[in-house]
Amino acid sequence: EADIYQTPRYLVIGTGKKITLECSQTMGHDKMYWYQQDPGMELHLIHYSYGVNSTEKGDLSSESTVSRIRTEHFPLTLESARPSHTSQYLCASAPPGNYGYTFGSGTRLTVV
Amino acid sequence: QKEVEQNSGPLSVPEGAIASLNCTYSDRGSQSFFWYRQYSGKSPELIMSIYSNGDKEDGRFTAQLNKASQYVSLLIRDSQPSDSATYLCPTGTASKLTFGTGTRLQVTL
Repeated sequence: EADIYQTPRYLVIGTGKKITLECSQTMGHDKMYWYQQDPGMELHLIHYSYGVNSTEKGDLSSESTVSRIRTEHFPLTLESARPSHTSQYLCASAPPGNYGYTFGSGTRLTVV
Repeated sequence: QKEVEQNSGPLSVPEGAIASLNCTYSDRGSQSFFWYRQYSGKSPELIMSIYSNGDKEDGRFTAQLNKASQYVSLLIRDSQPSDSATYLCPTGTASKLTFGTGTRLQVTL
């Protein structure tokens, strides 16, 4: 059973709309991450957080923003969606220390 | 040079055979080594972690780490059709992992 939840699973939205992708985890993990992945391609880190009020940009230039007001919640916001944002967005979390990530089921975003 | 390099495959092995997946990394400071399995259209799933040189076995899976040569490998014994997936070997630190493109494994009947 997944302990990290992403909503929505699928989203089709028009160009220029503002959208927020939700990610919540019930494991009390301090570290949370957002990755972007196109089909058959590698995961690209777009944002991460080491705890409440901590957010950092990842390796992939992104027009999105994140917030970390509560430990369990790490939403990703696109202020103005574009077709180039069409992709799968994966949220992950990890406990303190040297442990692997647990991924959510992902949100597949299509901007038309 | 990419931080993590894998042969993208597909690697095709017959059912019951041993599948060998390899990964090289460039950052000598990497402390964390993991193997993830990702089925098509799904999110990655952690299957193995290894932190020190040598072998680590878990069921049909054996992970091997050689820090001096900067490679990590995964052996899958008695391969099954359900093992058909893309295998990712991210490396990095406790804070941040870098993923490669993965190796696509096909187990044929």
